[in-house]
Formats: sequence, structure tokens, C-alpha cells
Amino acid sequence: DAGITQSPRHKVTETGTPVTLRCHQTENHRYMYWYRQDPGHGLRLIHYSYGVKDTDKGEVSDGYSVSRSKTEDFLLTLESATSSQTSVYFCAISTRDGSSYEQYFGPGTRLTVT
Amino acid sequence: GNSVTQMEGPVTLSEEAFLTINCTYTATGYPSLFWYVQYPGEGLQLLLKATKADDKGSNKGFEATYRKETTSFHLEKGSVQVSDSAVYFCALYTSGTYKYIFGTGTRLKVLA
Repeated sequence: DAGITQSPRHKVTETGTPVTLRCHQTENHRYMYWYRQDPGHGLRLIHYSYGVKDTDKGEVSDGYSVSRSKTEDFLLTLESATSSQTSVYFCAISTRDGSSYEQYFGPGTRLTVT
Repeated sequence: GNSVTQMEGPVTLSEEAFLTINCTYTATGYPSLFWYVQYPGEGLQLLLKATKADDKGSNKGFEATYRKETTSFHLEKGSVQVSDSAVYFCALYTSGTYKYIFGTGTRLKVLA
């Protein structure tokens, strides 16, 4: 257990409304990630962070922004939600284990945009 | 760019059958390779990993060997149980990129 929580766990929102998802970790990990999971696509990286205020885009970043003002929190914002953003969103951290890295995931947030 | 290809699912097996889920990869350099498992309604859990050629990762009866010559990391288990029913993801990580690349997942269903 890497001490990762996500909130909310479930959310239904309307098209055009802003939505913020929160990822919180308790173990001071440097690297944090946001993914979305959709049938037939596996996991796709939205944004990631390699430190406070240091973030970069993943492969499906359009329509999403992120912020990391504290080591423990990584926020994902949908500025104006669309139905195509209906998905399950996972936060993850990456930690070093000897000479390799390992990634651990939160429980996910199921977002429905109507 | 880097990529991971997994066999299409679903895979349906009877309890105690032998399991193989194929995974091949394309990557520059020397990636680390992983298998993750996802049970219904949960996040992904690290199942096993291998960090260099010929390494064998193992956990809970599952094994996978890092084959650089065939760029493969196939997941195997000698005798599956109903409780192994889940979705399995193959993934790779290349040092310095900060990014992990995941396959599309393979759903396993084990029947009693």
C-alpha cells in the first residue's frame, strides 16, 4: 500500500462544468501521474509531475490541466467537461526500488459526464 | 516510440489449467518490464517485474521471463484459480523518461 487516496471516488457532472479530481499521497514520493482507463485503450497517460510545480503532458492531455503545489497533492482539472471525458481516472506514484522503478496506483475515480 | 502489445482477451480457462498471456514490446535502450493485475472495481496492483535480460519475475505462482532476443515478457501460471480472474496489464519503463507504457490489458476468466 503506497498510501494513495483519490477523491471523489465517483462523480456525475454535466457537460461544460469544471471538475477537479484530487490525488493525495502520504509517503513523499516525487513522481505522480494521472491516467485514464477506457475499454480497448488500456491506460493512457494524461499528465505527470516530477516535483512541486513541475509537470508535463502525457499522450492525452488535451482538455486537462494539472497542478501540484505540495508534494502530497496532485490535482487534475477538466476545465469544461465533455462526454468524451467519461472514464475511470487513476492516480499513481513511482518509487525507486534499487536500480529500478515501480509504479503504484490509487483506487480510481469513476467520472460520468452527462 | 516505445510500445507494448498484449494478446487480445478475454481468456477463459477452467480451474487448474495452465495460463499464458503473451506480451511483446518495442523500446529503445533497456526497459524494465512489469505485469500488473486489476481486480473489479480496484486500481492496478504490481504483480511482478524484471529489470534486465533473462531476469525472471515471480509472485503468487505467476512468472514471466525478460527475453530480449524476442522482445517478450509472457505471463505464465501453472494452475489458475477462480480468484485469478482479473485483467492483466503488461507495461514497460525506460529510465530517464519518467513514463510507463501500458498494454491494453487482457481479461482472464477462470471457471470452477
